[in-house]
Formats: sequence, structure tokens, C-alpha cells
Amino acid sequence: NAGVTQTPKFRVLKTGQSMTLLCAQDMNHEYMYWYRQDPGMGLRLIHYSVGEGTTAKGEVPDGYNVSRLKKQNFLLGLESAAPSQTSVYFCASTRTGELFFGEGSRLTVL
Amino acid sequence: GEDVEQSLFLSVREGDSSVINCTYTDSSSTYLYWYKQEPGAGLQLLTYIFSNMDMKQDQRLTVLLNKKDKHLSLRIADTQTGDSAIYFCAEVDAGGYQKVTFGTGTKLQVIP
Repeated sequence: NAGVTQTPKFRVLKTGQSMTLLCAQDMNHEYMYWYRQDPGMGLRLIHYSVGEGTTAKGEVPDGYNVSRLKKQNFLLGLESAAPSQTSVYFCASTRTGELFFGEGSRLTVL
Repeated sequence: GEDVEQSLFLSVREGDSSVINCTYTDSSSTYLYWYKQEPGAGLQLLTYIFSNMDMKQDQRLTVLLNKKDKHLSLRIADTQTGDSAIYFCAEVDAGGYQKVTFGTGTKLQVIP
């Protein structure tokens, strides 16, 4: 049982490059989330989705886009990466209550 | 908006009790959670308490909730080196999208 799987786990980008992080869950969860984790700041919500085909902004959405074309997948895109987007990104999903997290994707923007 | 605060660091000796504190602002929270994050890993649910409870005990873990002061604590009895991790408290507002607000996390260091 895989749970929540994130790819890639590590990536180094140059300023201005684009990339997509993929999150896949096999628990048939309705709700999916993308967070970023920075030292001393906890987890901050970037975007979330309450179901297939729907997405919404969280507290720090600028510079990111998301899509949820299939219920099991939630993609996070960076169109033009900036050094301020250097962070660890976590995807999570839930049906109701407990969040299940992926192992994280460490992104460095030079 | 909602705000959840924790101290950033706690150091205890192996065998002692650890108490990690959290304050929150949203009085409409339905659940309050404690998550544990080990190095290089995602967060895992450790325990939770419903907002209509004062205390919950689960083996070495005791969660205390003071709704009047909006204060939540996690006590770990007989702390072991394997308890070294970052602990996050989180509140859930079971509104339209299961909104979860996390604290900044408390890094627990257990000294052998």
C-alpha cells in the first residue's frame, strides 16, 4: 500500500526554469494539499483541492500553479523558479481528519 | 485568521518527561492534532483530541486541552532517543475543505 507518493524527491533548478512536482495517492481521498516547509515557519499551504477538477489557493500561492485532472493525482507547477522557492514540498491527502503525507520533495533553486 | 504557535526547541534527558506546548486562536476547531516528523521524512499522525475533550492518554503520550486558554500540550513519558523529532500541533476547521493549520514545530532533542 503506497499511500502518498511524491516525485521527484530531489531537484536542483536554475532561476527561471520550470518544473512540475507530482503527487499520487491510492486511498481514494477527496482532499489533496500542497505545503511547503521552511525552517522556523512550519508548514504553509500553497494550494489545495477538494475533488477532481477543482483547485483553490492557500496562504502562499504566488509563483505556483496546480492541476487535479484525476482524483488520485495533484500536480504542483513552478513556471519560472525563483530562489525564494527553495524549500521542501509536501503533498498530503485526506478523506476527513487525518492527513497522510508524502515523504517530501526537496527543491533547490540557484 | 488562524494562528498556531509553538516554541521552536526542547531538550530533555533520556528517561525524563517531555512537555511540548501549543497555543491556537481558532475557537471553532473540531480536532487538534499532534504530528511527528523524523529527519528526512514526512509528517505522521501521533495522536489527536476532539475539541470537546480535556485529556487523552495513549500509552506514553498524554494530550491536555484547555479550551478556555486555547492551549494544547503533549506530554511524552519516559522519553527515549527515538522520540527525537520535530513535533507539530495542528488544528482542523472542518469547514468546506478540511482546513488544517500547523504550528511552527518544536524540535525535541533527547540527550542520552
